Amino acid sequence: DAGVIQSPRHEVTEMGQEVTLRCKPISGHDYLFWYRQTMMRGLELLIYFNNNVPIDDSGMPEDRFSAKMPNASFSTLKIQPSEPRDSAVYFCASSSSHSGGPYEQYFGPGTRLTVT
Amino acid sequence: RKEVEQDPGPFNVPEGATVAFNCTYSNSASQSFFWYRQDCRKEPKLLMSVYSSGNEDGRFTAQLNRASQYISLLIRDSKLSDSATYLCVVSPFSGSARQLTFGSGTQLTVLP
Repeated sequence: DAGVIQSPRHEVTEMGQEVTLRCKPISGHDYLFWYRQTMMRGLELLIYFNNNVPIDDSGMPEDRFSAKMPNASFSTLKIQPSEPRDSAVYFCASSSSHSGGPYEQYFGPGTRLTVT
Repeated sequence: RKEVEQDPGPFNVPEGATVAFNCTYSNSASQSFFWYRQDCRKEPKLLMSVYSSGNEDGRFTAQLNRASQYISLLIRDSKLSDSATYLCVVSPFSGSARQLTFGSGTQLTVLP
């Protein structure tokens, strides 16, 4: 089975540009999570969805960040405008509440974002 | 104070050694506990869940002390392939992987 798929794997952009990160969760999973990882702050939860509905976005750093999940197989994380401090690895993860639990989160390979 | 605190290491140990990692968490309402492993420039992957009674998976043993809000991971007979960063993870939900809070990780290098 395919795991969590993220694209692009690497993104280099200039400050002020819009960046869109994409994620396809594992089929059948009803939870989707967006994380950001930096050396300074470690792995931080930005937002998560349950059945395509955003449940907790308290980790989203500011209004420049937005996330959507239009259907069960696709989610986007958008940064507009991007800033150098947004440089990080962004992970998408998914999990299922239908298995016996505890419910493992499966991570995608990440998108390495560099904003110059 | 961070919600989950770990000694960042690095721990450099010879093959075959036994190594232990510790982790403390600040939220006494935490209900689920995990250890994840992250290889260099890769995504985190679940290593094992941690149960109150302690649990073992091959060479790996995890312990939880709720009174002290302390979690440990013991690796016996370490292998070169165990070299990675080990992330201590907690959740406020029982039996659930929602809203995981990750520690900053402990880096392990197993030397030949």
